[in-house]
Amino acid sequence: RKEVEQDPGPFNVPEGATVAFNCTYSNSASQSFFWYRQDCRKEPKLLMSVYSSGNEDGRFTAQLNRASQYISLLIRDSKLSDSATYLCVVNKNNNDMRFGAGTRLTVKP
Amino acid sequence: GAGVSQSPSNKVTEKGKDVELRCDPISGHTALYWYRQSLGQGLEFLIYFQGNSAPDKSGLPSDRFSAERTGGSVSTLTIQRTQQEDSAVYLCASSRWRQATYEQYFGPGTRLTVT
Repeated sequence: RKEVEQDPGPFNVPEGATVAFNCTYSNSASQSFFWYRQDCRKEPKLLMSVYSSGNEDGRFTAQLNRASQYISLLIRDSKLSDSATYLCVVNKNNNDMRFGAGTRLTVKP
Repeated sequence: GAGVSQSPSNKVTEKGKDVELRCDPISGHTALYWYRQSLGQGLEFLIYFQGNSAPDKSGLPSDRFSAERTGGSVSTLTIQRTQQEDSAVYLCASSRWRQATYEQYFGPGTRLTVT
């Protein structure tokens, strides 16, 4: 089983739609969690950290469910510029980060 | 401020040659990571450094791959006797401790093509 698993997609949604991605992780001792965004042929960029209580940043909401070992990312009111691959990242311990393979999102006009 | 930088940005080499890829992390970042990404694929973890030591080398694909970090700053990833399957984008990231967690910042990558 992979350490971090994501549905690869692609998710094709119209502008204005709400879309959600899930990510599961295998190591129950994982300490911190992140969502990164990667545009085509670019490096990944931090989108948001995921806190135990859940957190929101504008149209983006991240949730953590430790009992079920998954994290989620919700995007409301999708924009064309949200089209990218979204990477789930799990901090195994100390500074050891593991990436999921990514979920590809395309927002269409 | 300055971000993570990597050099070269592109490298074309012949099969069997050695290559060195360089990463300059953000100043003050204690941890440094190397990943590689093949076209259309996810990130494959290679190695990470905490200071100058590498607690986890398990991701290095073979003994042709090695990495070092000196002075807690610059890191070099060396691939000996390159093979065509080594062609990929090699990404470096560094991280800092912020709000009780680590956040990674990536360089633009080195695109390696082995012919």
